[in-house]
Amino acid sequence: SQQGEEDPQALSIQEGENATMNCSYKTSINNLQWYRQNSGRGLVHLILIRSNEREKHSGRLRVTLDTSKKSSSLLITASRAADTASYFCATVRRDTGNQFYFGTGTSLTVIP
Amino acid sequence: NAGVTQTPKFRVLKTGQSMTLLCAQDMNHEYMYWYRQDPGMGLRLIHYSVGEGTTAKGEVPDGYNVSRLKKQNFLLGLESAAPSQTSVYFCASSPLAGGRTDTQYFGPGTRLTVL
Repeated sequence: SQQGEEDPQALSIQEGENATMNCSYKTSINNLQWYRQNSGRGLVHLILIRSNEREKHSGRLRVTLDTSKKSSSLLITASRAADTASYFCATVRRDTGNQFYFGTGTSLTVIP
Repeated sequence: NAGVTQTPKFRVLKTGQSMTLLCAQDMNHEYMYWYRQDPGMGLRLIHYSVGEGTTAKGEVPDGYNVSRLKKQNFLLGLESAAPSQTSVYFCASSPLAGGRTDTQYFGPGTRLTVL
């Protein structure tokens, strides 16, 4: 079964706007990561947030983690056409520390 | 560094045929993984390895076998392909950091069609 669920499934915005996508998960985690996948390509790691962290920034990316609600959000500020991709959250669970569980992804389209 | 490479990039099989997908990484990573990606399903873990000579089952292991004879290589085998195994297969590797797995590095994928 999927550990993570992203919301929304698809998002379409204008260039320059901010994009927010959410991830919910089911069990206790060591860390949560966000990955990007361009069409027809492999996944690329974006950012990692550990279970004892609440917020993290990397360039135009901002990730929050609420372990009490078992949820995370990824904010992409000042979006660009090149941000068009699918975004996945992945969790590393406490009970299976060497396995990654991916959500179903959010498809982001940034319109120039 | 080439990172994670996968061979082949595309393959078409007939039902019942067998094949092996090769994954290679040049980053000296301990952990390696095989996933399949199907529309609307995200990535699902097939098998993984925590080191040379070791393998373990993931979420959807049935119909697949794996081997990790060398640290840099992780092979995924389909003994008797079925149409349900039509998918895009991704290999990934991960370093061991502080006794725990960390970021995964993905290959470009293999698109497999079983007729």
